[in-house]
Amino acid sequence: NAGVTQTPKFQVLKTGQSMTLQCAQDMNHEYMSWYRQDPGMGLRLIHYSVGAGITDQGEVPNGYNVSRSTTEDFPLRLLSAAPSQTSVYFCASSYLTGATGELFFGEGSRLTVL
Amino acid sequence: DQQVKQNSPSLSVQEGRISILNCDYTNSMFDYFLWYKKYPAEGPTFLISISSIKDKNEDGRFTVFLNKSAKHLSLHIVPSQPGDSAVYFCASPFGNEKLTFGTGTRLTIIP
Repeated sequence: NAGVTQTPKFQVLKTGQSMTLQCAQDMNHEYMSWYRQDPGMGLRLIHYSVGAGITDQGEVPNGYNVSRSTTEDFPLRLLSAAPSQTSVYFCASSYLTGATGELFFGEGSRLTVL
Repeated sequence: DQQVKQNSPSLSVQEGRISILNCDYTNSMFDYFLWYKKYPAEGPTFLISISSIKDKNEDGRFTVFLNKSAKHLSLHIVPSQPGDSAVYFCASPFGNEKLTFGTGTRLTIIP
């Protein structure tokens, strides 16, 4: 009963490096999204997808790239890491189109950019 | 610009008493609200929701109240238990496909 699985759980990068945060769900949810959590800022939406092949920007999309080739997977790519991207990242999915459906979250990926 | 605001970063409540967490919103078009609970090192989990056609929704020890004229909602937990210690986020849909969250309130239940 995996739900939403994120890897890695922890990552340290140097400024300018690139990496991909993986997210997979086994609930056959059409809607998937990425949030970042920062102290005093709450959860902010980075990108979301309403189905395979469809992605769109959230509140803070700059510096991040996403794709959705399958229903199950929604990777988040950092193109050139910056210290401002130090954060905890959460992937979430929903059986409804995002906003009114209950979101199921992964356990988070803590990223530090030096 | 934060459209959903939680102005109290933290709250401490004695075990057995009532916990009241508050949330204000600015967009009068918001018509559905959710509360999520988050423990350390875990993802948030859905707790309770309310539609704007209601002013109250109850689920066990948790009740959410909505005051549309004041653009205010509150989450009541009674009686409070040590396991309720967590960060609570209120949220509302922004458009059909985006969920916007408040900044969270850290609730500590004192035994």
